[in-house]
Amino acid sequence: AQTVTQSQPEMSVQEAETVTLSCTYDTSENNYYLFWYKQPPSRQMILVIRQEAYKQQNATENRFSVNFQKAAKSFSLKISDSQLGDTAMYFCAFMNSNTGNQFYFGTGTSLTVIP
Amino acid sequence: EAGVAQSPRYKIIEKRQSVAFWCNPISGHATLYWYQQILGQGPKLLIQFQNNGVVDDSQLPKDRFSAERLKGVDSTLKIQPAKLEDSAVYLCASSLDWGSSYEQYFGPGTRLTVT
Repeated sequence: AQTVTQSQPEMSVQEAETVTLSCTYDTSENNYYLFWYKQPPSRQMILVIRQEAYKQQNATENRFSVNFQKAAKSFSLKISDSQLGDTAMYFCAFMNSNTGNQFYFGTGTSLTVIP
Repeated sequence: EAGVAQSPRYKIIEKRQSVAFWCNPISGHATLYWYQQILGQGPKLLIQFQNNGVVDDSQLPKDRFSAERLKGVDSTLKIQPAKLEDSAVYLCASSLDWGSSYEQYFGPGTRLTVT
């Protein structure tokens, strides 16, 4: 089974500053997908950003970008110009498209943006 | 487009009682997932359907949990009898299976409290 590790249970950042959330994973597969999901308090989970393992270029979505290090099996999320609405739980997830598209989630990082 | 619908949103039952949750995925989504999310943890996959067939139910406690997706559209998850440790949010998600669209769309979840 795949494992996803998020070593930062809680983080905080000042509004307008930049923060990086870390994620590592363990797999023997070569083709897979990685995701960051956001779960605001009492609200449903939404996709923040997605990275295909076969792509060398790091994915970017507006203020959100990733640092994908395939050899190191690392997938960190950088949030630039942090906003109060970024306060949420952030989950890193791994999906292997070769074995039925099962998703594996990390334990999450609780991010608080401080005004 | 309409999102993933789940009901009920909240449920409180006593241990040893039974409970059922319902999920209606986004129209056209072939894959449906049920997750259990215990407070402070990441979602754990319970069962994954591809149309009306089961892809993965390896983490489903089959002595008390059951799920079905008879017509390949909506799905029900049942717990009978419930235990205290079943208290969690039960998330339903759906996804397309073609191209690169592996994004999961999550419902609002059902918060179960077992007393």
